[in-house]
Amino acid sequence: KNEVEQSPQNLTAQEGEFITINCSYSVGISALHWLQQHPGGGIVSLFMLSSGKKKHGRLIATINIQEKHSSLHITASHPRDSAVYICAVSPPRGSNYKLTFGKGTLLTVNP
Amino acid sequence: EAQVTQNPRYLITVTGKKLTVTCSQNMNHEYMSWYRQDPGLGLRQIYYSMNVEVTDKGDVPEGYKVSRKEKRNFPLILESPSPNQTSLYFCASSYSPGGGRRNTGELFFGEGSRLTVL
Repeated sequence: KNEVEQSPQNLTAQEGEFITINCSYSVGISALHWLQQHPGGGIVSLFMLSSGKKKHGRLIATINIQEKHSSLHITASHPRDSAVYICAVSPPRGSNYKLTFGKGTLLTVNP
Repeated sequence: EAQVTQNPRYLITVTGKKLTVTCSQNMNHEYMSWYRQDPGLGLRQIYYSMNVEVTDKGDVPEGYKVSRKEKRNFPLILESPSPNQTSLYFCASSYSPGGGRRNTGELFFGEGSRLTVL
């Protein structure tokens, strides 16, 4: 079973700061997902990565398959970025489709 | 509009009274899955389905049943709910959560169903 660790658990930042959230996993994967959940809200998919880097607006996600590590970066953070960010991994193709989730990182961005 | 719809959104019930939480998606996705979210434990997978009539257990399947008779629907059944099943439940769908040739593994989540079992 894959173990997924996220760090930090909690993060408080000032508006405009550059944010990094990390995700490490223990076993090879086919893909890694970054999800966002606003307080009391639903869950939205931000990125799905198999390799390299993806960018969407102020959000950048990278993955290093050899090191089993991914990072989510937020540039020029804003209070509306305050949410829980969750990392999830899919097992290698050809195996089952049990997703494993990290426990999430609670980000608070103060104005 | 692409969406995953769960019902009910909120439910309070009593121990032992069978209930069903419905989930429907309009994106023709093969993959559907149920998760529960509990404070301190994060999201945990209950059951998933890779296609019609194909279902498999996730990490916490005890006390739950599912069925996949049609591609668009994936109901979660609690035959005899107990208080430890009080939780926030999410349904999700995807073409393939592991990506693939089309790289369309994005997960689409329903809005969640908050269940309380007294």
